[in-house]
Amino acid sequence: DGGITQSPKYLFRKEGQNVTLSCEQNLNHDAMYWYRQDPGQGLRLIYYSQIVNDFQKGDIAEGYSVSREKKESFPLTVTSAQKNPTAFYLCASSGQGDSPLHFGNGTRLTVT
Amino acid sequence: KQEVTQIPAALSVPEGENLVLNCSFTDSAIYNLQWFRQDPGKGLTSLLLIQSSQREQTSGRLNASLDKSSGRSTLYIAASQPGDSATYLCAVRPWGQNFVFGPGTRLSVLP
Repeated sequence: DGGITQSPKYLFRKEGQNVTLSCEQNLNHDAMYWYRQDPGQGLRLIYYSQIVNDFQKGDIAEGYSVSREKKESFPLTVTSAQKNPTAFYLCASSGQGDSPLHFGNGTRLTVT
Repeated sequence: KQEVTQIPAALSVPEGENLVLNCSFTDSAIYNLQWFRQDPGKGLTSLLLIQSSQREQTSGRLNASLDKSSGRSTLYIAASQPGDSATYLCAVRPWGQNFVFGPGTRLSVLP
């Protein structure tokens, strides 16, 4: 079955450490996205990529970095510069134009 | 800039009731509108996708309508069940922009 796999499901880190969240899709989608979800807030776009080797900042990119070396993979690194990294992170992908958006099951990151 | 709102923010109904969730958007220049369901601690599951040229889509007990001119969409759930309890989000895909999400409606269906 095609889908999006995010790993790990839960991640715990100490403050000051960088951490990388994995996102892999086998839907052959060109576009991939990273969102952050906090309690009581809607989804906020961190980074997106429309094609391999290219990506753009979303609304809240500060303190995050991404890479898109392969079509199926879009890892997100939460750096020590991110002031409030504890959140639920969601990866998504879509085809071109009017295609629907598909989501992974998310990674819950806790930084103490 | 496109904005999406959802009313009500939360809804509690007895099992078996038919219900309507509302989604409003400010700019009618969209490719499509998508309804999602999110269970606690989980990702978003796509329920229905309505293209801009369509007026409605149906899947089982769910029916979604789209009125671009008024900037509104409704999600109708027939004969609600406790398993329908979740947060429901709508998202629009504006021309030349990324998806824009509403804040969601938290639904509780009481047995």
